[in-house]
Amino acid sequence: DTAVSQTPKYLVTQMGNDKSIKCEQNLGHDTMYWYKQDSKKFLKIMFSYNNKELIINETVPNRFSPKSPDKAHLNLHINSLELGDSAVYFCASSQRFMTGANVLTFGAGSRLTVL
Amino acid sequence: GDSVTQMEGPVTLSEEAFLTINCTYTATGYPSLFWYVQYPGEGLQLLLKATKADDKGSNKGFEATYRKETTSFHLEKGSVQVSDSAVYFCALSDRGGNNRLAFGKGNQVVVIP
Repeated sequence: DTAVSQTPKYLVTQMGNDKSIKCEQNLGHDTMYWYKQDSKKFLKIMFSYNNKELIINETVPNRFSPKSPDKAHLNLHINSLELGDSAVYFCASSQRFMTGANVLTFGAGSRLTVL
Repeated sequence: GDSVTQMEGPVTLSEEAFLTINCTYTATGYPSLFWYVQYPGEGLQLLLKATKADDKGSNKGFEATYRKETTSFHLEKGSVQVSDSAVYFCALSDRGGNNRLAFGKGNQVVVIP
């Protein structure tokens, strides 16, 4: 069973469209994240939710809106897509406040291409 | 804020060569340190970690020691294989509870047969 699964794996769309990426984890973790990886492989956190509550919200355009219906799901909706949104988006999860170092488990990524 | 710096540029080396990837960090307090690996077309996976000074993390022949005096966490492997070709990310996590991981820029490692 896949621990952190994202859909779709690939997404090609036109500028100005609205799209969503879904993420689900079956690890029983209480915290989920969205990271963006650009073409140079640089990883930047976008959002984090703990038990459906937003706890990290980096400087991200308002066009990006995360939604967490329950602690096992964190979806990312993007409005009015721009060329610069082209990237690989990674979902991750972890258990907050574990003893020792908290480790993130990542999904396989969703590659978004905006034409 | 907390940050991680990795050496610039890709690393290309021959099979069975010695690999070192440098990582230094800046942090207030005492962070936990990690190395993650990203194989082609996949997500990141934890390679190893260390939670306090002088701890050594190790996995799959890779090692890294948490050096507080030099604020470093360099990754080493004595004899690389073609299957080690991947992108390697150093990261740190503060102990504040948000689990915010700060990643370095990553190093592409290419091992040639």
